[in-house]
Amino acid sequence: EAQVTQNPRYLITVTGKKLTVTCSQNMNHEYMSWYRQDPGLGLRQIYYSMNVEVTDKGDVPEGYKVSRKEKRNFPLILESPSPNQTSLYFCASSFLKGIGGTSPVNEQYFGPGTRLTVT
Amino acid sequence: KQEVTQIPAALSVPEGENLVLNCSFTDSAIYNLQWFRQDPGKGLTSLLLIQSSQREQTSGRLNASLDKSSGRSTLYIAASQPGDSATYLCAVGEAGTALIFGKGTTLSVSS
Repeated sequence: EAQVTQNPRYLITVTGKKLTVTCSQNMNHEYMSWYRQDPGLGLRQIYYSMNVEVTDKGDVPEGYKVSRKEKRNFPLILESPSPNQTSLYFCASSFLKGIGGTSPVNEQYFGPGTRLTVT
Repeated sequence: KQEVTQIPAALSVPEGENLVLNCSFTDSAIYNLQWFRQDPGKGLTSLLLIQSSQREQTSGRLNASLDKSSGRSTLYIAASQPGDSATYLCAVGEAGTALIFGKGTTLSVSS
């Protein structure tokens, strides 16, 4: 089954304690991305990766790190979490494709989400 | 910079009604538009994706339309059911691959 998985699904931690949220996809997608979702602000992109060893900042990268050593994995690292990073986090993956020879399509597949609380 | 707006922010209807959710975007240079459903505190379920060359897509009781020239999309839900209660998100896909999301319409269908 094609899917994007995230772990853990729920995490409560304290300020300053380093943590990693893992993301893995089994669709051989080149592109992977992290979003955070906050009430009233919607989904915002944190970081993305176009392929192995290629990463770049999204709209809200402060306080986060990522790495892309393998095509299927894209972990999100919080070196020193703070309460303002309490949020719902989603990992996504995609590849650009044309369907039936028509225009390119950017269809993204999302993981189930990680609810992070930093106290 | 692309902006996506969804109106209304919230909608309450009785069971059985047909309804329309609206999405507008400021830059028509998109690859596609995708509609998602999100239950409270849960993940995103992709409902429909419309390529930039298409005008509409249908899945069961759902029909999504796209008018690139006017920067608008609608999601039509026929014969609404209480199980349709959720937040519906619209997102546009552009070159560079980031999806730009609207803030969603929260739908409540009462029995």
